[in-house]
Amino acid sequence: DADVTQTPRNRITKTGKRIMLECSQTKGHDRMYWYRQDPGLGLRLIYYSFDVKDINKGEISDGYSVSRQAQAKFSLSLESAIPNQTALYFCATSGGGGQETQYFGPGTRLLVL
Amino acid sequence: SQQGEEDPQALSIQEGENATMNCSYKTSINNLQWYRQNSGRGLVHLILIRSNEREKHSGRLRVTLDTSKKSSSLLITASRAADTASYFCATGNSGGSNYKLTFGKGTLLTVNP
Repeated sequence: DADVTQTPRNRITKTGKRIMLECSQTKGHDRMYWYRQDPGLGLRLIYYSFDVKDINKGEISDGYSVSRQAQAKFSLSLESAIPNQTALYFCATSGGGGQETQYFGPGTRLLVL
Repeated sequence: SQQGEEDPQALSIQEGENATMNCSYKTSINNLQWYRQNSGRGLVHLILIRSNEREKHSGRLRVTLDTSKKSSSLLITASRAADTASYFCATGNSGGSNYKLTFGKGTLLTVNP
């Protein structure tokens, strides 16, 4: 089984709708991250969390919110989706404490019409 | 904003040839990592080099780091068609507990059989 899972894998939604992307991990890591990837732009950090009580904004947090429900779960919400939020979204985890390698989920492809 | 910038943006070679990708960054770092992404999939960690290291090897991969020039290179020797993917460098910021990675835009490597 995959260490980092994301649901859904694909999602089509309409402008103005609220949607949630979910991430679960079985690696026992404290640190979790949400990125978005747009063609030619690489990965940009949306939010990150270093433990259940810690939430931090990343580079492009406007229009997004997150919830860290447990060590293993980190959800990303788009409060009112807009077309320029169409992108590939990745969740990642890392162990912290000198373990800087990040482990990525398979991604969620989101299309906002 | 992106910290690392990969060069070239795209590289096409024949199977068996070596592939070299470069990464430049702007601010001081704790470490630099290289990741690989097969089309539309999650990123996979390849190798990490710390700021006090100059060269590191892992199988057919060789990474160098020149902190004076703020640059790194990834060499893939004896390339295979299966190496076709996008390759990203990611820099880890220096110091503190607020550690996170900043990714470049990637190099698309095509290995022709």
